[in-house]
Amino acid sequence: QLHLQESGPGLVKPSETLSLTCTVSGGSISGSSFYWGWIRQSPGKGLEWIGAIYYSGVTYYNSSLKSRVTFSVDTSKNQFSLSLRSVTAADTAVYFCSRGLGYYYYMDVWGKGTTVTVSS
Amino acid sequence: IVLTQSPATLSVSPGEKATLSCRASQNINTNLAWYQQKPGQPPRLLIFAASTRATGIPARFSGSGSGTEFSLTISSLQSEDFAVYYCQEYNKWPPITFGQGTRLDIK
Repeated sequence: QLHLQESGPGLVKPSETLSLTCTVSGGSISGSSFYWGWIRQSPGKGLEWIGAIYYSGVTYYNSSLKSRVTFSVDTSKNQFSLSLRSVTAADTAVYFCSRGLGYYYYMDVWGKGTTVTVSS
Repeated sequence: IVLTQSPATLSVSPGEKATLSCRASQNINTNLAWYQQKPGQPPRLLIFAASTRATGIPARFSGSGSGTEFSLTISSLQSEDFAVYYCQEYNKWPPITFGQGTRLDIK
C-alpha cells in the first residue's frame, strides 16, 4: 500500500526558506501515470494547491506562488521536495503531499500533513 | 475556474440524507472530485469523474452532475460522515482548484 510522509522543520523564521520533503513508500515515484504534489491548508481555512512534479522533473506551480516555490525530485530516494522562499506569516499552514493521477488530476493518496509555522 | 460550494454548513440528523452542491464558474465536463476531511486528517478521495466512487468508499456516497452543476449525496448519514467536504476540479489542469468546503454537522 502506498504511503506518503512529509518531513521538515515545524518552525521557520520570516523571510527565510521553508523546505519540506515527501518520502514515498510502498511504490515507486517513477510510475508513468502519476504526478506528485503539494497542497496546503491555512489554519481554519480551505485547501490550496501549490503545484505538482513528475518523476522526470516536469513541474507545474500555482501562479500565486510561482515566484517563490521550487519543486525537486530524487528518484533514487523515492522522494520529492518543496522549497518556498521569503516566507511570511501567511505561509503558516499544514502542508500535505499527495499523489495525483496524470491526465485527470485528482489526488488518491495523501500524506498525513505537517504543520509549518512562520514566526520569529 | 471558481468552485462555489453550498451551503457553507449543513446540519442533518443521523440516518437522514444530505445533499451538498458544487457550482463551477465555467464548463468542466465531469472533471470533478469530492473529498472528505475530518479534523487533524488529510482529505480522503470519495468521488472522481463526478460520479465514480473511489476504492473502498461506501455505496451511500454518490456523486452526480456535469458541466457546471454537481452534487454529492450521502443517502443515510452515519456518525463517521460528519466532516468537511470539498469539491475539486481538474478540467484543464494545471491549475486545479478547490471549493471552499461544506461543513456537515450533526443536527
